This record gives sequence, C-alpha cells and structure tokens, in this order.
Amino acid sequence: SYELTQPPSVSVSPGQTARITCSGDALPKQYAYWYQQKPGQAPVLVIYKDSERPSGIPERFSGSSSGTTVTLTISGVQAEDEADYYCQSADSSGTYPSVLFGGGTKLTVL
Amino acid sequence: QVQLVQSGAEVKKPGASVKVSCKASGYTFTGYYMHWVRQAPGQGLEWMGRINPNSGGTNYAQKFQGRVTMTRDTSISTAYMELSRLRSDDTAVYYCARDHGVVVAYYFDYWGQGTLVTVSS
Repeated sequence: SYELTQPPSVSVSPGQTARITCSGDALPKQYAYWYQQKPGQAPVLVIYKDSERPSGIPERFSGSSSGTTVTLTISGVQAEDEADYYCQSADSSGTYPSVLFGGGTKLTVL
Repeated sequence: QVQLVQSGAEVKKPGASVKVSCKASGYTFTGYYMHWVRQAPGQGLEWMGRINPNSGGTNYAQKFQGRVTMTRDTSISTAYMELSRLRSDDTAVYYCARDHGVVVAYYFDYWGQGTLVTVSS
C-alpha cells in the first residue's frame, strides 16, 4: 500500500489564498478527494475527483492535480474556513480496493 | 434528505466488544455501500472497511481483519459495525459514511454524527 502525505499545518490571513498539498505515488492513477472537519463535527466533502466541487460548497474551494501531488486551494480565506482538511484516495494495489487518508492539515486563519 | 443517525456513546472494558449502529434515511439503503471510519482523539481519519447493504458483502482494512464485523438489517435500513477484543487504543469516534456512488466509488458524501467509544478499565 502507499501513503498520502500532507503538511501538518498551514496558516493564512483572512482574504489570502491557502494551498494545502497532498502527495502520494498512486495519485496520478487515482482520484483525490478532500474533506473539511471542524472541531466536534463529522467531515464534509469539499472536493471530489481531484477538482469537482459538490453542490453547496463555496466557489472559493478548488482542487487541482499535478503528477503525484494534489492541491486544495481556498481563495479569499474566511475565518469560518479554519478547520482540519484531509485528502483521501483509493488504493487498488491489494486484493480489493481500500481507502487511504492523509494525515490531515490544520488550517489556521490568523 | 439523506441522514445517517448513529447510536450513542459507549464505555467498554479491554477485551470486550462494541456494536455501533447507523440508521439511514432519505435514500434507498440498499443502493449505496456503507463505510466505517474511525478517529482517535486528536488524530486523523482511519478507514475500517465497507459493506454492500444489498448483498451483505464486506471488505475490511487489513489492520482490522479478524476483529471487525460489519452487518446490516435492510428491514430497518441500519448498518452495524462490531469491533471485538477492544484495547485502549481503540478509543475513538466511529463514523459511518455513505459511499457516493451507486457503483462503489470509495469516497463519502454523507456521514453519521459519530459515536464515541471509550475503552478503559
């Protein structure tokens, strides 16, 4: 199996752009997904299939992919965006597919 | 609207078992795989496995093989996750999460509210 690697923390000021990366060897072959989790709450899907945004997710959230790295970009960060963000992908190397999560990135809005 | 409502918090002793339920509503229960994900205090998300509510077929993460059993009761649209031989490091919030796709997609569009399982002597 492989791993997904995220930076532990990212800090930005309100109105700036936050970029959270996720690296993994299988990402060129597998889609990536991003979840936002606020304290005491369940995760919420914010990006699927690398760059698609679910309905109800603000347009300031976007995703991109390049080689073994995917990036979640939050443009014009707001205080309410302070949360933990997790990337997720599938691992098809075993007998059946499994799910992998990155270690999570804490976004701090200064 | 889609809702996943989980059972309440549990406190268990080491070596015991725990069974967490997840009642689904607002969609066809047998049409979407259900996954279980856990999160230890202050830690990240960890996938435990998934069940096909239509067939009952399961796949478990290797780490939990032999200790976890996922089942369902289609008559009441409820999925269950039972974890046995509990250890202190099984203390975590356990989530059920619905797979996005009618054909399993391995990502999650709806989550339960979480169930805290505390393992302590």
